[in-house]
Amino acid sequence: AQTVTQSQPEMSVQEAETVTLSCTYDTSESDYYLFWYKQPPSRQMILVIRQEAYKQQNATENRFSVNFQKAAKSFSLKISDSQLGDAAMYFCAYRSTETSGSRLTFGEGTQLTVNP
Amino acid sequence: GAGVSQSPSNKVTEKGKDVELRCDPISGHTALYWYRQSLGQGLEFLIYFQGNSAPDKSGLPSDRFSAERTGGSVSTLTIQRTQQEDSAVYLCASSLIPFTDTQYFGPGTRLTVL
Repeated sequence: AQTVTQSQPEMSVQEAETVTLSCTYDTSESDYYLFWYKQPPSRQMILVIRQEAYKQQNATENRFSVNFQKAAKSFSLKISDSQLGDAAMYFCAYRSTETSGSRLTFGEGTQLTVNP
Repeated sequence: GAGVSQSPSNKVTEKGKDVELRCDPISGHTALYWYRQSLGQGLEFLIYFQGNSAPDKSGLPSDRFSAERTGGSVSTLTIQRTQQEDSAVYLCASSLIPFTDTQYFGPGTRLTVL
């Protein structure tokens, strides 16, 4: 079974600064998807960024980018120019394309605080 | 179009009562998922629907939990004889197709069992 680990329960960053959230995962599969979701106090899970494992190029969405290291099974999220609205719980998630292909497996989450 | 919607937003019930939680997926999305988010267990997968059938219900924690989907659209998660450990946020997600498409989540239902 796949597992996802987020080793930072809490992180904080100053507004306009850059922060990196860590995620590692364990799998024996070669093809899969990785995601970062954001969950503000409203509870709604919002997709931040998605990475296909077969793509070597790191995904980027505006101020959000990932550092995907397939051999190391690492998938970190970098938030540049942090804004107050970025404050939320961030979840890293894994989805297989081979077995039980539709479910998401989540990490424990990282609570991000943005200080003005 | 509209996103995934869930009702009720909050539900308080007494131990031993049955509850029904509803999910309306994004129109046209064939795949629908239920997850549970609780303090002790984090985010857990419960069940996945493709159309009206459930190829994967391995995450349902006990036989008190059941779910159905009708018309390839609305889904209902039913918890019978609720227990205090059922208290959690129940999240629903949908995707256009399974396996490759992104899952989009609803706002969740917070269930409190007294």
